[in-house]
Amino acid sequence: QKEVEQDPGPLSVPEGAIVSLNCTYSNSAFQYFMWYRQYSRKGPELLMYTYSSGNKEDGRFTAQVDKSSKYISLFIRDSQPSDSATYLCAMSPSGGSYIPTFGRGTSLIVHP
Amino acid sequence: GAVVSQHPSWVICKSGTSVKIECRSLDFQATTMFWYRQFPKQSLMLMATSNEGSKATYEQGVEKDKFLINHASLTWSTLTVTSAHPEDSSFYICSARVLTGTYEQYFGPGTRLTVT
Repeated sequence: QKEVEQDPGPLSVPEGAIVSLNCTYSNSAFQYFMWYRQYSRKGPELLMYTYSSGNKEDGRFTAQVDKSSKYISLFIRDSQPSDSATYLCAMSPSGGSYIPTFGRGTSLIVHP
Repeated sequence: GAVVSQHPSWVICKSGTSVKIECRSLDFQATTMFWYRQFPKQSLMLMATSNEGSKATYEQGVEKDKFLINHASLTWSTLTVTSAHPEDSSFYICSARVLTGTYEQYFGPGTRLTVT
């Protein structure tokens, strides 16, 4: 079992839909959780960064962390065609080198 | 803020030559820089981690004599692919972590290397 599991998709939704992207993990030491957006042939862009459990909202994006279930989510409201990209989750433990472990990414397609 | 630049964005070289990729954090200081490799439709593969002024720590299976990393300052790091071969063709991405506090990690735009 990989440390971080993420469905590669693709996930196809109509414009305006609410998108839910998820990752599960097995390492209970993970404390820092991140979501990145990566467009084709570009480097990943940090979207959300959370510490420990709870919710964090930024514009149309909401990140949720449920440490008891080892499950994190990224919600995108009012999705736009420009949101079409690959979304990678990443997480790292508190302490040590803090090197994050990445999921393989979920490809999202928002069609007009 | 938190911009990481990478140069070149695309390079083609002949087999047997060496290629240097530069990475800079433009508006913050980075204690740690990372170099990743990414194949099409695959996730990021960490190659090495480097701290300013120290030797890089390479991941298992990554040849340190082939992928030379220099992290001479808090804002600059280079990756040199020595004696490149076609199997080294890939997308290389650097990343920098902020100096203090939150451990947020920011990525450069990537370099596409094609070895002919």
